[in-house]
Amino acid sequence: DAKTTQPPSMDCAEGRAANLPCNHSTISGNEYVYWYRQIHSQGPQYIIHGLKNNETNEMASLIITEDRKSSTLILPHATLRDTAVYYCIVRDGGATNKLIFGTGTLLAVQP
Amino acid sequence: DADVTQTPRNRITKTGKRIMLECSQTKGHDRMYWYRQDPGLGLRLIYYSFDVKDINKGEISDGYSVSRQAQAKFSLSLESAIPNQTALYFCATSTGYQPQHFGDGTRLSIL
Repeated sequence: DAKTTQPPSMDCAEGRAANLPCNHSTISGNEYVYWYRQIHSQGPQYIIHGLKNNETNEMASLIITEDRKSSTLILPHATLRDTAVYYCIVRDGGATNKLIFGTGTLLAVQP
Repeated sequence: DADVTQTPRNRITKTGKRIMLECSQTKGHDRMYWYRQDPGLGLRLIYYSFDVKDINKGEISDGYSVSRQAQAKFSLSLESAIPNQTALYFCATSTGYQPQHFGDGTRLSIL
């Protein structure tokens, strides 16, 4: 599985968009980009995933660059409850569905 | 996520004791996973199971064993607990290649 690189921490003002970057320069053609978040030692929560097209759901948007070597998770209107560790994970498109977590980005939403 | 239930939520025990952590799910998923999380780090995969008759080691299986008693139940055992197994343990489920859903975790302390 490809490794990912994320900044260890970011701040965002409440109500503003939070843009969380992720580098995955060794990603291969059948590997998906997944985003999870973990709020204060709770179980990780799935946010969104994509292969090569941009994706949007009720929680967030995922922008993947054309060369697929990096992506950005966008929370359009961050709230205090979005304060969490955000994990960018590249998952093998093959049989195992294993997730390999890095250390993630701690997003602190400020009032 | 109440669909994935872990018991106990917290456990303190002594070195050398045998411990079992249990996970049950009502989501009807075929795949189940056990992870551990150490402070400040991401989750690491211990074992995973694709169905009742299929058990696979993850990246850190030494010192652990698992049992898939039914499609809905997947237990993790520490045969002889040691202090460096003190961690937060998460169970997750998925179906096929869909995103994994996590329980709320078991906080295990070994003295």
